[in-house]
Amino acid sequence: DQQVKQNSPSLSVQEGRISILNCDYTNSMFDYFLWYKKYPAEGPTFLISISSIKDKNEDGRFTVFLNKSAKHLSLHIVPSQPGDSAVYFCAASAYLGGANNLFFGTGTRLTVIP
Amino acid sequence: GAVVSQHPSRVICKSGTSVKIECRSLDFQATTMFWYRQFPKQSLMLMATSNEGSKATYEQGVEKDKFLINHASLTLSTLTVTSAHPEDSSFYICSARDSRTPGGYTFGSGTRLTVV
Repeated sequence: DQQVKQNSPSLSVQEGRISILNCDYTNSMFDYFLWYKKYPAEGPTFLISISSIKDKNEDGRFTVFLNKSAKHLSLHIVPSQPGDSAVYFCAASAYLGGANNLFFGTGTRLTVIP
Repeated sequence: GAVVSQHPSRVICKSGTSVKIECRSLDFQATTMFWYRQFPKQSLMLMATSNEGSKATYEQGVEKDKFLINHASLTLSTLTVTSAHPEDSSFYICSARDSRTPGGYTFGSGTRLTVV
């Protein structure tokens, strides 16, 4: 049962434009959400996170938006750069509730075209 | 941030043999570690939660006798794939929760297991 889903397996964006990656979740107990960047045969690299008490968090070129009522979050990257090309995973946990488990989405492969 | 060291990074083994993967927290004590498995072009699936000094908690569908997890100390958790089969070939990653790490979770670099 996939509790975190990314419905777009791939996304191509022109350099300089905005990349929008989407993520949906089903478990209403999730209160902490993260985005990771991952290359093959490596561990995930943390990008940005957001707790359920917020609806937006920004860090440089990365902004995460959370819509709790829709159980949906998105990652915006602007401007997109070729070095951003990778697989992006969203993840969720009931972190603030004391649980440790982190559940990952299915991933979206982002390709930024120079 | 905290560092988790995972070894080996790659291993090839014959069918029927067992393989042990180690995950060490280098500069912090990890009472809980997590083991994930990633199939090609798929998500990181949580296999089990490893608890120091007690039995691991396995996710539904994960065979406990197949994937033995031991967390004997605050800095070491091991995953042993027993009687390995080619379908066990996958990428395995460990993780630990640590408040000092951006995001709160630190990951090992993963182990690529190939069973021939």
